[in-house]
Amino acid sequence: GDSVTQMEGPVTLSEEAFLTINCTYTATGYPSLFWYVQYPGEGLQLLLKATKADDKGSNKGFEATYRKETTSFHLEKGSVQVSDSAVYFCALSFANFGNEKLTFGTGTRLTIIP
Amino acid sequence: DTEVTQTPKHLVMGMTNKKSLKCEQHMGHRAMYWYKQKAKKPPELMFVYSYEKLSINESVPSRFSPECPNSSLLNLHLHALQPEDSALYLCASSQIGRMNTEAFFGQGTRLTVV
Repeated sequence: GDSVTQMEGPVTLSEEAFLTINCTYTATGYPSLFWYVQYPGEGLQLLLKATKADDKGSNKGFEATYRKETTSFHLEKGSVQVSDSAVYFCALSFANFGNEKLTFGTGTRLTIIP
Repeated sequence: DTEVTQTPKHLVMGMTNKKSLKCEQHMGHRAMYWYKQKAKKPPELMFVYSYEKLSINESVPSRFSPECPNSSLLNLHLHALQPEDSALYLCASSQIGRMNTEAFFGQGTRLTVV
């Protein structure tokens, strides 16, 4: 079946450090890929997405590129802030006319220290 | 309006109680979802409604009963739950179309079964 593998956390960085959170996937076909963020005590917010190979999703300084050849969708940010502390989930789904099922990775807890 | 609103935010119920979780969206989305998230785990799909009809049930126990009374509302009726059902219950919605579209999540209902 389809699956998503994320780097193990937790990840602790100093403010203004460079962030990479690795994500690889296994799927039959070409899914859409997503990064969701969950702040403490809250639901999930879509951070960025990419729907086909070589697409780059970006939002709030975060970027991820859909790499078909390496089946990866790594999340990067050049300079993190304390407010970026959250749990980050990589996910995939296939277009299915409203029956899309998100398959999530295990999540990576990120803590940014001042 | 890009919000999915869930009520209540917190719920404590006994194992013999009957309660309902509510979810509302006004984005015109015709697909709505219930996910369950245990602590420090990714969300897991429970149900999908497409055009107000149940299209996916991920083998969820019958003590969870979903209902979609109209295109804006989604309920989850709870009866005779067990303590292990304590979790964050997330509602989500998405458009229906040929291209994959992202899911918008609510803030969740944190359920505790005592």
